Amino acid sequence: LAKTTQPISMDSYEGQEVNITCSHNNIATNDYITWYQQFPSQGPRFIIQGYKTKVTNEVASLFIPADRKSSTLSLPRVSLSDTAVYYCLDHNTDKLIFGTGTRLQVFP
Amino acid sequence: SAVISQKPSRDICQRGTSLTIQCQVDSQVTMMFWYRQQPGQSLTLIATANQGSEATYESGFVIDKFPISRPNLTFSTLTVSNMSPEDSSIYLCSVVIRGGETQYFGPGTRLLVL
Repeated sequence: LAKTTQPISMDSYEGQEVNITCSHNNIATNDYITWYQQFPSQGPRFIIQGYKTKVTNEVASLFIPADRKSSTLSLPRVSLSDTAVYYCLDHNTDKLIFGTGTRLQVFP
Repeated sequence: SAVISQKPSRDICQRGTSLTIQCQVDSQVTMMFWYRQQPGQSLTLIATANQGSEATYESGFVIDKFPISRPNLTFSTLTVSNMSPEDSSIYLCSVVIRGGETQYFGPGTRLLVL
């Protein structure tokens, strides 16, 4: 059973910033928060991981509030190629339980 | 990161037959997993492939249906036995590289059972 909740789908336009929020209502103290991206006909690709506050890499930023009950993946200036399904997970082991994911559609 | 290959990339099989899927990694890994992704659905963990011992299966998956081997640190196989159309899915292996924490996924094997 998935531990996280996220919107089923989101739409955006090229050049916009997209923020996808995930609920981690059952997160444990030693859980990390990880986001994956999956394109059609490909395996999921690791985007970013964090424990608290803010993490940024070349692809995205991850915001985690102090209570860690939610996380927000921020994609700056999306392009058509960012159209994909985005999964948030919280886990403290290597066993990943995937939820439904958010299907992001980017329009020109 | 790791380069993960799966063979075959896709196959069409008749019901009642079995298919063995291979997963090869270019680095030594500590953990290997097998997932299933049914059409339009999310990923479901099938089992953890343990080197030199029996795989650890998740609830709803059994060894007789999904036998798994992992003879060394870089290779594993998943067999889908006595297939039915309900087994039509994408099967993915994933790994955690030795010394790392991130889990990387293979490209998947797309299986269609007629």
